[in-house]
Amino acid sequence: DADVTQTPRNRITKTGKRIMLECSQTKGHDRMYWYRQDPGLGLRLIYYSFDVKDINKGEISDGYSVSRQAQAKFSLSLESAIPNQTALYFCATSDPTVGQGDNEQFFGPGTRLTVL
Amino acid sequence: GQNIDQPTEMTATEGAIVQINCTYQTSGFNGLFWYQQHAGEAPTFLSYNVLDGLEEKGRFSSFLSRSKGYSYLLLKELQMKDSASYLCAPLAAGNKLTFGGGTRVLVKP
Repeated sequence: DADVTQTPRNRITKTGKRIMLECSQTKGHDRMYWYRQDPGLGLRLIYYSFDVKDINKGEISDGYSVSRQAQAKFSLSLESAIPNQTALYFCATSDPTVGQGDNEQFFGPGTRLTVL
Repeated sequence: GQNIDQPTEMTATEGAIVQINCTYQTSGFNGLFWYQQHAGEAPTFLSYNVLDGLEEKGRFSSFLSRSKGYSYLLLKELQMKDSASYLCAPLAAGNKLTFGGGTRVLVKP
């Protein structure tokens, strides 16, 4: 079973709709992240959470909100989707005490979102 | 703020060597990661450097010079499966990972 899962894997929606992308992990990591990826722009951080009571804005948080329902779950919402939010969205987890470095991130498989 | 510069695309022949350079400017520095990402898939960890010098792991090596804000990823004995994007990601203050735009490597027979 995958350690970091994302649902849905693909989603097509219309402008103005509210969309929620979900991320679950079984790694027991405290830190979770949401990124979006656009061709040529690399991964850009939307929001991150270092524990259940901690939520922080990333580089491009406008138009997005998040909820950390539990250590294992971190959801990303688009309150009113717009076409330029069409992108590949990745959830990631990390724990500074494990992995190859202090903050190696483990990525989910991604959600491809298209806003028409 | 953060600024990361790496080439957009490189092409090499199977069996050859390719070096992907990355220069960066970050607010604080806690190390540098390289990730591999095949098209449409999640990035996966390749290497992590926190001290200056070369880290070797099989066919892949990564080098860091903190004073120069410079790193490179060296891929040896290229295989067709190495065709992917390679993401340079310095770890800035506050343990925030910032990703470069990635270098797409195309390996030709």
